[in-house]
Amino acid sequence: GNSVTQMEGPVTLSEEAFLTINCTYTATGYPSLFWYVQYPGEGLQLLLKATKADDKGSNKGFEATYRKETTSFHLEKGSVQVSDSAVYFCALGSTDKLIFGTGTRLQVFP
Amino acid sequence: DTEVTQTPKHLVMGMTNKKSLKCEQHMGHRAMYWYKQKAKKPPELMFVYSYEKLSINESVPSRFSPECPNSSLLNLHLHALQPEDSALYLCASSQFPGFGNGELFFGEGSRLTVL
Repeated sequence: GNSVTQMEGPVTLSEEAFLTINCTYTATGYPSLFWYVQYPGEGLQLLLKATKADDKGSNKGFEATYRKETTSFHLEKGSVQVSDSAVYFCALGSTDKLIFGTGTRLQVFP
Repeated sequence: DTEVTQTPKHLVMGMTNKKSLKCEQHMGHRAMYWYKQKAKKPPELMFVYSYEKLSINESVPSRFSPECPNSSLLNLHLHALQPEDSALYLCASSQFPGFGNGELFFGEGSRLTVL
């Protein structure tokens, strides 16, 4: 069946550091891939998405590329800010399911 | 308006109470969802309504009863809950049913505590 594996957190960084959060998936067919972000005390927001292989999703300085050959969708940002502190969920979408990874907590310190 | 509004934000109830969670969206979305999220865990799908009809029930206990009165509203009726049902309940909507290409818009959630 389909599944998503995310790196364990928390990830702790200083402001302006480079961020990578790893996400790999197993899937049959051609799913879409998503990164959602959950700020403290809030619901989830879609951060970016990619619907087919080699697509790059980007938003707010974050990027992720749908890599079929490595079944990965790693999230990257060149320079994080304190305001990026949140929990990040990788997710895989097929017709009848949206499967979330376990989430990775990012803490950014000034 | 790109919001999904959930009320109440916080709810404390006893095991014999009956209460309801409410969710509203005015984006014209035709699919609405209830998710349950425990602390430090990802959201778990409970129910999906497609075009106001229940299309997915993820084997949720009958003490949770969803209702979709119209295309903008989604309720979750709660009765005889257990302490382990304490969680953040998230409502979401999408333009069309299906998780393949669509974006889910989430509300901020209703934090439920069962005593």
